[in-house]
Amino acid sequence: TQLLEQSPQFLSIQEGENLTVYCNSSSVFSSLQWYRQEPGEGPVLLVTVVTGGEVKKLKRLTFQFGDARKDSSLHITAAQPGDTGLYLCAGANTGFQKLVFGTGTRLLVSP
Amino acid sequence: ETGVTQTPRHLVMGMTNKKSLKCEQHLGHNAMYWYKQSAKKPLELMFVYNFKEQTENNSVPSRFSPECPNSSHLFLHLHTLQPEDSALYLCASSAILRGFTDTQYFGPGTRLTVL
Repeated sequence: TQLLEQSPQFLSIQEGENLTVYCNSSSVFSSLQWYRQEPGEGPVLLVTVVTGGEVKKLKRLTFQFGDARKDSSLHITAAQPGDTGLYLCAGANTGFQKLVFGTGTRLLVSP
Repeated sequence: ETGVTQTPRHLVMGMTNKKSLKCEQHLGHNAMYWYKQSAKKPLELMFVYNFKEQTENNSVPSRFSPECPNSSHLFLHLHTLQPEDSALYLCASSAILRGFTDTQYFGPGTRLTVL
């Protein structure tokens, strides 16, 4: 069984701070996705990374896929209250039908 | 708005009730999914339908019964549930192109409480 552990589980920070969320596994994935889920809503895809060592940027969010394709990180620069939510990583193998979701990181950014 | 709608958004039911959750996607996708999201576990895949045919049942108890009458609609029929079944039930859909399943799009979920 493939597992994805995220750390930290909870993060409460002030607006303007930087943070990093980690997603780790002992298994190799062909690609990895990051989602954000706001209260009362379903997960919304932020990014997909498919190549070991790949770095993608989405405004203030930087995503990295580990060289061995077993781990990933999400870095947020100058966090804003709108970044508040549950961040989920999900590993995929040969297509995105059977996703393995991580344990989740709940982020609260206070003004 | 992701193009996937779910009704009802909230449901409270007793253990002897029978209810159904509905999901509809307006994206032209041909794969649909049911997930369970509870506080203590990662998002769990329950069922997968490809082109209206069930292709995955992730050891889900028979008190959950899915139905997919066409590629746009998915139901989850519930009966004699247990309090531990209380959770957020998410529907998702994706496109299958030349055998490759593309990214999933999620609905807003149904918050289910079993008393």
